[in-house]
Amino acid sequence: EAGVAQSPRYKIIEKRQSVAFWCNPISGHATLYWYQQILGQGPKLLIQFQNNGVVDDSQLPKDRFSAERLKGVDSTLKIQPAKLEDSAVYLCASSLGVGFIGGYTFGSGTRLTVV
Amino acid sequence: GENVEQHPSTLSVQEGDSAVIKCTYSDSASNYFPWYKQELGKGPQLIIDIRSNVGEKKDQRIAVTLNKTAKHFSLHITETQPEDSAVYFCAASTNGGKLIFGQGTTLQVKP
Repeated sequence: EAGVAQSPRYKIIEKRQSVAFWCNPISGHATLYWYQQILGQGPKLLIQFQNNGVVDDSQLPKDRFSAERLKGVDSTLKIQPAKLEDSAVYLCASSLGVGFIGGYTFGSGTRLTVV
Repeated sequence: GENVEQHPSTLSVQEGDSAVIKCTYSDSASNYFPWYKQELGKGPQLIIDIRSNVGEKKDQRIAVTLNKTAKHFSLHITETQPEDSAVYFCAASTNGGKLIFGQGTTLQVKP
């Protein structure tokens, strides 16, 4: 089966600019996650979708981050305006659904550098 | 909320030796504990997992043990090979909810 697709792979922007990341999960996976991984740390959940509804966005900095999942498939994560501390790898993952006790499948991530 | 602590942060072993990575969790309701391997420039990849109704699980050279009473679980890699070199993450979740990750362990296997 095809994996989780993410684009772009790399992005360099100046602080206060905006940026968007795209994710296409595994076909049939109802749950989609965006994680932020700062260098040297474990991934931290930003937002979790079940189909096109938000399940958990408690760790999403809503003043600058937004995410949507149109039609319960692809998702975009946006940062506007970016700060230096947003430099990180943004990982998208998917799983069969909420309540499914099993591992996620992660994409390769988008490495964001804010200068 | 859940907190997962992982140690050591770095581990260097000789090829053929065993490696052990340990994690502790805080939420007694956690019932699913996966381990992920992350290679440079790639996303984390699930290598083994264990549920709270099982004490030990093995898959070829890797095994995971769980002590629910002490709230800790460990990853054991035997007969290590250079291709085992990577960053390893433990994680915990409750009833299929979000995964909370440890800080990661960088494993170096020296030929």
